[in-house]
Amino acid sequence: EIVLTQSPATLSLSPGERATLSCRASQSVSSYLAWYQQKPGQTPRLLIYDASNRATGIPARFSGSGSGTDFTLTITSLEPEDFAVYYCQQRSNWLYTFGQGTRLEIK
Amino acid sequence: QVQLQESGPGLVKPSETLSLTCTVSDYSINSGYYWGWIRQPPGKGLEWIGSLYHSGNTYYNPSLTSRVTISLDTSKNQLSLKLSSVTAADTAVYYCARARGAAYNYMDVWGKGTTVTVSS
Repeated sequence: EIVLTQSPATLSLSPGERATLSCRASQSVSSYLAWYQQKPGQTPRLLIYDASNRATGIPARFSGSGSGTDFTLTITSLEPEDFAVYYCQQRSNWLYTFGQGTRLEIK
Repeated sequence: QVQLQESGPGLVKPSETLSLTCTVSDYSINSGYYWGWIRQPPGKGLEWIGSLYHSGNTYYNPSLTSRVTISLDTSKNQLSLKLSSVTAADTAVYYCARARGAAYNYMDVWGKGTTVTVSS
């Protein structure tokens, strides 16, 4: 089973700042890495799929990069609505795993 | 636009079987994609439970495989989840989701989730 480790666990930033979230896989997942945003009491929302493709309706300030074992989600110029928990997720050998999440909080 | 809606008992007794249904609207589950269940214990992260394809290929989280059954009812366009011998650790919000992509590697549509509490 592939383990996804996200860092940092919590990121404290101010609106307008740039956020960089990391996801590291215990073995290569090629580009099969997705990112989700979850706000309190809400359903996870797909942001990025296949490491770098924005899902429908996702603002351009969200971008993903990486391949193999190291991936990054970048949010340029944080908006108030971006403060949430972010999860990475992979699928390998028909098993899916999620990272433990990064909480992005207002500083 | 495809929509998913989970339903089922909100309270299950320890050692009993949890049974949930996910109704899919505006898309025939026979037409493709993988369909699955994910759960989230209170205050914790997301855990994949299992997924299946309309043809019957089914995959489960190794940590739950002995207790989980996921199936499709194509006549009702529904996905079901059965989790046996539940304990308090199975208390969670349960989501159904559609998986797509070249390798069905990401989940683009989710239900709103249903809360299940395991307690006597």
